[in-house]
Amino acid sequence: GQQVMQIPQYQHVQEGEDFTTYCNSSTTLSNIQWYKQRPGGHPVFLIQLVKSGEVKKQKRLTFQFGEAKKNSSLHITATQTTDVGTYFCAGGPRDSGTYKYIFGTGTRLKVLA
Amino acid sequence: DGGITQSPKYLFRKEGQNVTLSCEQNLNHDAMYWYRQDPGQGLRLIYYSQIVNDFQKGDIAEGYSVSREKKESFPLTVTSAQKNPTAFYLCASSPGQLFYEQYFGPGTRLTVT
Repeated sequence: GQQVMQIPQYQHVQEGEDFTTYCNSSTTLSNIQWYKQRPGGHPVFLIQLVKSGEVKKQKRLTFQFGEAKKNSSLHITATQTTDVGTYFCAGGPRDSGTYKYIFGTGTRLKVLA
Repeated sequence: DGGITQSPKYLFRKEGQNVTLSCEQNLNHDAMYWYRQDPGQGLRLIYYSQIVNDFQKGDIAEGYSVSREKKESFPLTVTSAQKNPTAFYLCASSPGQLFYEQYFGPGTRLTVT
């Protein structure tokens, strides 16, 4: 079945350093979504990528969708303490008859002040 | 104020007891989901429903049951057959089409001893 892996599992950075998490699917995806979960909280939607090779930016966050639509990345420039949390990708299936997303294992980010 | 609610926030049960977790949304969304999250892990899909009176098993449905009698409600029952029920349970909803984000509730932390 479809699997979505994320690396790294954990990342500690000094405030001001950059951070990147990578998401890899075993199958081609229709789209990919990214969520952020603060410690003790629930996942909150960040962005969705649909097109092959798509790049989207949200302030210090840059999201990319691979050409083959099997991988994605989230890059944060100059991290801040407010970036702390776990970042999940969620891959949408190619079969649009189902609404079943497969979530990645997540990358937990800690930012040291 | 639109949103998705889960109750209770914390739930404690003795082994061998069934327990039902509540999930309600007033977003008029067609699709609803139940996920399980274990420490340091991603979200695993238990059940999902694309429309009232219909639901499908996710990846880890064994030991769980659901109902979808009303559009706004999607309760999850954790039965005594679930071997390792202690976890953080998250309910989510979406408008019902593949390319829409999922809105998550605050979650219920279930502890079974």
